[in-house]
Amino acid sequence: GDSVTQMEGPVTLSEEACLTINCTYTATGYPSLFWYVQYPGEGLQLLLKATKADDKGSNKGFEATYRKETTSFHLEKGSVQVSDSAVYFCALNSGNQFYFGTGTSLTVIP
Amino acid sequence: GAVVSQHPSRVICKSGTSVKIECRSLDFQATTMFWYRQFPKKSLMLMATSNEGSKATYEQGVEKDKFLINHASLTLSTLTVTSAHPEDSSFYICSAAGTGGHSYEQYFGPGTRLTVT
Repeated sequence: GDSVTQMEGPVTLSEEACLTINCTYTATGYPSLFWYVQYPGEGLQLLLKATKADDKGSNKGFEATYRKETTSFHLEKGSVQVSDSAVYFCALNSGNQFYFGTGTSLTVIP
Repeated sequence: GAVVSQHPSRVICKSGTSVKIECRSLDFQATTMFWYRQFPKKSLMLMATSNEGSKATYEQGVEKDKFLINHASLTLSTLTVTSAHPEDSSFYICSAAGTGGHSYEQYFGPGTRLTVT
């Protein structure tokens, strides 16, 4: 069945470091791909999305490119800030059903 | 953007009592709403999918008699945890999908922290 596998954390980075969180997926058909962010004690917020192959989603300095050939949707940011500390979830939507990865906790230290 | 609210944000109840959690889409009509449960440091587990005016579809392993879902209108779905026990303590999150356009997107509520003592 459809599924998402993302890099396990936790990840700890210094401020201004580069971030990559890996995400790969398995799906039949042509899913839409998403990254959600969850700040402590809060619900999920959509960070970015891509609906077809080669699309690049971007928001708040984060980027992810929908790679069909490698079935990947890795999240990247060139320079992280303390305020980026959160849990990041990769997800795919297939047939109106969402599948989430296990989440990657990111802590950015000053 | 689309806003989904949940009420209450936190609730503490005694074992054996029932708790109702509301999920509302504030500025759009949601034909489909989803209920998730999130365990500490874990991903979201889909509990059930509810469509307005029809019975909810529960995922395997989720007791429908324990987790009652009602989706009476296009803007409101409720989850009632009946005869709650400490193992039901968790973070419950709802999401709503729109009626058209970006129906593939889900908009998430802020979550409800349930603690059963």
